[in-house]
Amino acid sequence: DTTVKQNPRYKLARVGKPVNLICSQTMNHDTMYWYQKKPNQAPKLLLFYYDKILNREADTFEKFQSSRPNNSFCSLYIGSAGLEYSAMYLCASSAGHANTEVFFGKGTRLTVV
Amino acid sequence: QQKVQQSPESLIVPEGGMASLNCTSSDRNVDYFWWYRQHSGKSPKMLMSIFSNGEKEEGRFTVHLNKASLHTSLHIRDSQPSDSALYLCAASMGNYAQGLTFGLGTRVSVFP
Repeated sequence: DTTVKQNPRYKLARVGKPVNLICSQTMNHDTMYWYQKKPNQAPKLLLFYYDKILNREADTFEKFQSSRPNNSFCSLYIGSAGLEYSAMYLCASSAGHANTEVFFGKGTRLTVV
Repeated sequence: QQKVQQSPESLIVPEGGMASLNCTSSDRNVDYFWWYRQHSGKSPKMLMSIFSNGEKEEGRFTVHLNKASLHTSLHIRDSQPSDSALYLCAASMGNYAQGLTFGLGTRVSVFP
């Protein structure tokens, strides 16, 4: 099963409130990623876990947190949502070593109001 | 400025025709290119990847890579309505997984 599952598919959040998005994969992949996709923009890598090590992109370092309690699950946490966080959030996973296929989930569409 | 540039933005192709998509990276550190296809409401799915100079063919799909110019192209022959989708080009690099850098995509519409 090459499936990456994301919950929920749609989420509505209030400005200033926290948001937690969930992702799971059963492929025993070492690496899990979170991407943000806004309309008319390319998917942008926010952060990734290689095993238990979290790597966050420099320009989104303070905006997003993540946790990976076990190999299969990974969450994306926004402490205080702003309007600019409205986007599609794509979770993905790969076998971890360089240049292996990255498998994507269907995404969670977050709308902040 | 996008590090991965794709062209054209959109393409309309008659059924049975050829679709040609282009992608160039401005980051000389990349060493792998990927083509993903995303149908509406679905997750992006990897179509083809290439890291060596030259050409690679899988069924109706052919991908070319010129490493000197960091340019890759995807060609779809005998296009079918089911090929209508967003095609994303991505580049990667390094000795361990660091994620993909995507372009904006090319939207392909195949009409019967």
